[in-house]
Amino acid sequence: SAVISQKPSRDICQRGTSLTIQCQVDSQVTMMFWYRQQPGQSLTLIATANQGSEATYESGFVIDKFPISRPNLTFSTLTVSNMSPEDSSIYLCSAESGQGEKLFFGSGTQLSVL
Amino acid sequence: GEDVEQSLFLSVREGDSSVINCTYTDSSSTYLYWYKQEPGAGLQLLTYIFSNMDMKQDQRLTVLLNKKDKHLSLRIADTQTGDSAIYFCAESPQGGKLIFGQGTELSVKP
Repeated sequence: SAVISQKPSRDICQRGTSLTIQCQVDSQVTMMFWYRQQPGQSLTLIATANQGSEATYESGFVIDKFPISRPNLTFSTLTVSNMSPEDSSIYLCSAESGQGEKLFFGSGTQLSVL
Repeated sequence: GEDVEQSLFLSVREGDSSVINCTYTDSSSTYLYWYKQEPGAGLQLLTYIFSNMDMKQDQRLTVLLNKKDKHLSLRIADTQTGDSAIYFCAESPQGGKLIFGQGTELSVKP
């Protein structure tokens, strides 16, 4: 199984600032993803982090608001830009392992925006 | 469209079996998943089933898949208080992307 480390685990931020979340996988993986879990809700896919090219965003999410980097096969970052209280959520990184059938998650970053 | 539905709450007594149900819409999903989320934690992959299987058993966990009805269930035998958590069903319509249900909050009473 893949071990996925995320940091920070939580943060409290001021409106209008930006936060970058890091995701490190202990092995090379083909696919990495970023999800958002709003309070009391299920998970929604933000984007697929592509190694060496621009991320692929889902409907309702844009690069200017959620820029993503993936410089190599084990690391990705998600930035939440120009934050507002509506961005308060848990942000989770995910990666596939094995032959692609196992999808593991990091422990998440709990973000609160004041 | 893609949609996954689960009941929101389930309450059982310790030692009983729990059955959490899920319906999904995308018949092209290769794998279907069950995840567990404890308070303040990320998602733990519990088990998954390949779409051409009817059943998968892993210790106390049994997954049943009815592909015709697009119905997935997770049975937890001998439920313990440590099993109290939110359980998410998810389908994978394309390449690693998951569509999640709303989650079922399982409460285990001593």
